[in-house]
Amino acid sequence: QQQVKQSPQSLIVQKGGISIINCAYENTAFDYFPWYQQFPGKGPALLIAIRPDVSEKKEGRFTISFNKSAKQFSLHIMDSQPGDSATYFCAAKLHGSSNTGKLIFGQGTTLQVKP
Amino acid sequence: SQTIHQWPATLVQPVGSPLSLECTVEGTSNPNLYWYRQAAGRGLQLLFYSVGIGQISSEVPQNLSASRPQDRQFILSSKKLLLSDSGFYLCAWRDSGTGDNQPQHFGDGTRLSIL
Repeated sequence: QQQVKQSPQSLIVQKGGISIINCAYENTAFDYFPWYQQFPGKGPALLIAIRPDVSEKKEGRFTISFNKSAKQFSLHIMDSQPGDSATYFCAAKLHGSSNTGKLIFGQGTTLQVKP
Repeated sequence: SQTIHQWPATLVQPVGSPLSLECTVEGTSNPNLYWYRQAAGRGLQLLFYSVGIGQISSEVPQNLSASRPQDRQFILSSKKLLLSDSGFYLCAWRDSGTGDNQPQHFGDGTRLSIL
């Protein structure tokens, strides 16, 4: 019930292409959905986040699409670049956990963008 | 601005030896603090979190413990390391006082190898 399922596990995209990473959840009590980007040897860094009352959020080449009825959300990276090669994690926060801020993380997607 | 420091960056320890990893946050007060472990090529496992000085919540039973002796200091410890304690340890902080959907911010981690 508190899991976030992320797919695919790995992804190879050509430079200039669109990278799409999907996440699905069961618990409708999640109320905040951040995405993190992690480069090798570094900690994850917040990339973009969305609330369930918004269907889409765009920041530069990165877009989150949120489908509340399907309980799915996805990250789209437009015009993918070799510098985007990293591991991406989706996450979700339970409503009512604001005092702890605990996040449930997906298992991660390793993206490789080929030049 | 807020910053998070973790040290050491890498550590090689023999089985059975003690462990102390330190994390400090600057530029904020009363943050939520978190310790995660990331196995190679895997997701993020929440080990401990803290909402205040001396307040520690454990997420999984294990060979590790955590302490928060000061507001912005979080320590991960073990009395006797096991081979299975190897991994990438990440500390994270979150602003506890300025709204519901505050993201977590990660340090650059400690790579721990047990021999």
